[in-house]
Amino acid sequence: LAKTTQPISMDSYEGQEVNITCSHNNIATNDYITWYQQFPSQGPRFIIQGYKTKVTNEVASLFIPADRKSSTLSLPRVSLSDTAVYYCLVGGSNFGNEKLTFGTGTRLTIIP
Amino acid sequence: NAGVTQTPKFQVLKTGQSMTLQCAQDMNHNSMYWYRQDPGMGLRLIYYSASEGTTDKGEVPNGYNVSRLNKREFSLRLESAAPSQTSVYFCASSDPLSGRPTDTQYFGPGTRLTVL
Repeated sequence: LAKTTQPISMDSYEGQEVNITCSHNNIATNDYITWYQQFPSQGPRFIIQGYKTKVTNEVASLFIPADRKSSTLSLPRVSLSDTAVYYCLVGGSNFGNEKLTFGTGTRLTIIP
Repeated sequence: NAGVTQTPKFQVLKTGQSMTLQCAQDMNHNSMYWYRQDPGMGLRLIYYSASEGTTDKGEVPNGYNVSRLNKREFSLRLESAAPSQTSVYFCASSDPLSGRPTDTQYFGPGTRLTVL
């Protein structure tokens, strides 16, 4: 499984766009990039997943450059309720034989 | 549709005691997982079950056993609890799509376990 690197923490003001970047230099050809969100005292929740270019859903956008060695989760117009830990996962090309790891994630704090 | 449920929500054990954490899902998912999360840390995979009847070790399996009782249920057992096993335990399930092995995992609310 490709190892990921993301910032430990970020702060942002309400109403701003927040971009969290994840580095995954050793991503394999068949690997997907998945982001999860975790609120305190809850299990993680799937946000978005992509393979290349750009993916958008009702919650976020995911930008993946051509070399796929990094990805950026974009949260538009954040609110206080977006305060959470965000995890970037890369892998899945060898499901059943890989050890999935969430890492420590990025702790996003939204300031009023 | 309850999703993934876990029991109990909280548990306090003494060192050496045993207990089983229960997990059930009603989404007809093939795969199920057990993770632990220590304070300020990410989730670490303990065991997973790719399908009914199969289980495999994750990153931190020592001190734990699992049973995939049927397609719905996946239990985690601590035979002799130790203080180092104080953590929050999350169960998850997923259903890998053909050609898209990085599947979406759905998590339960967690069990907060303290071992004294």
